[in-house]
Amino acid sequence: QKEVEQDPGPLSVPEGAIVSLNCTYSNSAFQYFMWYRQYSRKGPELLMYTYSSGNKEDGRFTAQVDKSSKYISLFIRDSQPSDSATYLCAMSEGGSYIPTFGRGTSLIVHP
Amino acid sequence: GAVVSQHPSRVICKSGTSVKIECRSLDFQATTMFWYRQFPKQSLMLMATSNEGSKATYEQGVEKDKFLINHASLTLSTLTVTSAHPEDSSFYICSARAQGGPNEKLFFGSGTQLSVL
Repeated sequence: QKEVEQDPGPLSVPEGAIVSLNCTYSNSAFQYFMWYRQYSRKGPELLMYTYSSGNKEDGRFTAQVDKSSKYISLFIRDSQPSDSATYLCAMSEGGSYIPTFGRGTSLIVHP
Repeated sequence: GAVVSQHPSRVICKSGTSVKIECRSLDFQATTMFWYRQFPKQSLMLMATSNEGSKATYEQGVEKDKFLINHASLTLSTLTVTSAHPEDSSFYICSARAQGGPNEKLFFGSGTQLSVL
């Protein structure tokens, strides 16, 4: 079993939909949780960063961490075609700064 | 956010040649840089961690003589793929961490698509 599991998709939604992206993990030592957005043939761009459990909101994006279930989510409200990209979750242990990445979920938002 | 510049963005080379990829932090000093490899529809695979002024730490299964990493200054790290072969064809991405920064200060370059003929 991989440390971080993420459904590769693709996930196809209409413009304006609420998107839910998820990752599960097995390492209970993970403390830092991140979401990156990666456009085709580009480097990942950090979207959200969360420490331990809880929610964090930034504009149309909301990140949730449930450490008891070892489950993290990224919600995108009012999705736009420009949100079409691959979204990678990443996480790391406290005190260790090398994140472990999920394989990414491909999101397609069609007009 | 901070800017990490990676060059070239794409390179095509013949089998047996060596290819150098540069990663520069443009507006911050990076004590640590990471080199990743990514296959289509796959996650980022960490190859090595390079610290300024010291030898790189390679992940298990990554040949250090094949993938030479140099981090000679706080703003520049290079990855040289020596005697490249078709199986080395992949998307290579660097990332840089600011001095003393937590994970939220990990910035990525735009990647280099290497194609070995």
